[in-house]
Amino acid sequence: GENVEQHPSTLSVQEGDSAVIKCTYSDSASNYFPWYKQELGKRPQLIIDIRSNVGEKKDQRIAVTLNKTAKHFSLHITETQPEDSAVYFCAASMGSNYQLIWGAGTKLIIKP
Amino acid sequence: DAGITQSPRYKITETGRQVTLMCHQTWSHSYMFWYRQDLGHGLRLIYYSAAADITDKGEVPDGYVVSRSKTENFPLTLESATRSQTSVYFCASSLGGGPSGEQYFGPGTRLTVT
Repeated sequence: GENVEQHPSTLSVQEGDSAVIKCTYSDSASNYFPWYKQELGKRPQLIIDIRSNVGEKKDQRIAVTLNKTAKHFSLHITETQPEDSAVYFCAASMGSNYQLIWGAGTKLIIKP
Repeated sequence: DAGITQSPRYKITETGRQVTLMCHQTWSHSYMFWYRQDLGHGLRLIYYSAAADITDKGEVPDGYVVSRSKTENFPLTLESATRSQTSVYFCASSLGGGPSGEQYFGPGTRLTVT
């Protein structure tokens, strides 16, 4: 079936450095790619999303890039801060279906 | 996000018992979703609904039943709970479907099946 692979599963970076999380998807018809952040014990919340007609999108310290040919997309966080510590999930829409297929998550640790 | 709530927040039940998890949203969102979250698997879709009286299976529907008689409610029933259904369950709602925008998640229900 369709799937989304997310790497790495854990990422530890020094405060102030950049973090990059990568996802690959299998369904060539996928056209919507959101990223969610889940803090410990909390619910997932959308932080940024991108559609297939756009190659890059930025929102302050967060950016997402999409390579449709290679079927992968990435989350970039610059100038990381302690409050960026969380689990980040990528997802991809499954063709014309209303489902999102989710990656397994990346635990981001910001070291002081 | 008081707009989407789940109850109970914690539940312990025995194998074989029927359990119903409730989800209620006040935004009149058309789409609602049930996910389970397990370590190493991320979020897996159990069932979703595009509108009242319209439901469809997701990735892992076996052992679960849903209904949606009103737009604001989307209960999930485990007909005969098994230990493998121990998980954290999230309900979510969205104005549009998967490709159409943000999903808003409820606070989750932690279910333990003994």
